[in-house]
Amino acid sequence: KAGVTQTPRYLIKTRGQQVTLSCSPISGHRSVSWYQQTPGQGLQFLFEYFSETQRNKGNFPGRFSGRQFSNSRSEMNVSTLELGDSALYLCASSKGQGGTGTEAFFGQGTRLTVV
Amino acid sequence: GIQVEQSPPDLILQEGANSTLRCNFSDSVNNLQWFHQNPWGQLINLFYIPSGTKQNGRLSATTVATERYSLLYISSSQTTDSGVYFCAVVTREAAGNKLTFGGGTRVLVKP
Repeated sequence: KAGVTQTPRYLIKTRGQQVTLSCSPISGHRSVSWYQQTPGQGLQFLFEYFSETQRNKGNFPGRFSGRQFSNSRSEMNVSTLELGDSALYLCASSKGQGGTGTEAFFGQGTRLTVV
Repeated sequence: GIQVEQSPPDLILQEGANSTLRCNFSDSVNNLQWFHQNPWGQLINLFYIPSGTKQNGRLSATTVATERYSLLYISSSQTTDSGVYFCAVVTREAAGNKLTFGGGTRVLVKP
């Protein structure tokens, strides 16, 4: 079955612009989580969506937002981009319930460069 | 929040050697996963292992939840094993689940 698909794979944006990243989870998975990876901070949790509702949020400014659609696809938006937002953004998909339902599968990531 | 520490941070191996990577965590967790990050950045699932021992080919993992650690064993290492290995623990926060990652172990296998 198809894995987690993230688009686009690469993006170059200018400071002050906004960007939208997309994630399509594994079929049947209802939870989508987003993570930011930078050399300095490692892998950090942004937020989790389940059945179109944000269930959990990490410590990121309000410029980072997301949403989930009825087909479980998710988008993440970053407004007023800063140089420090340059990172690899990873999306994870899981069934969303407890036990083995928490096993996460990751997409290939979107590498965002802010210039 | 929960702290996850991995050791060693860097590991250089000669092809064919065996190695052990360690992951310590500071609190009770629902589950634990090991990942290998490929050169293109994707996190590849190695093990989902809340407790006990699992094996997959030359890789095996053991989690002792009561003592808050997990080990990843690489046997007869190959150059394709190079990359960064992450452990991540699953905790339930608010109404949802969250993965907290360790800092990773960077492995280089030399031919």
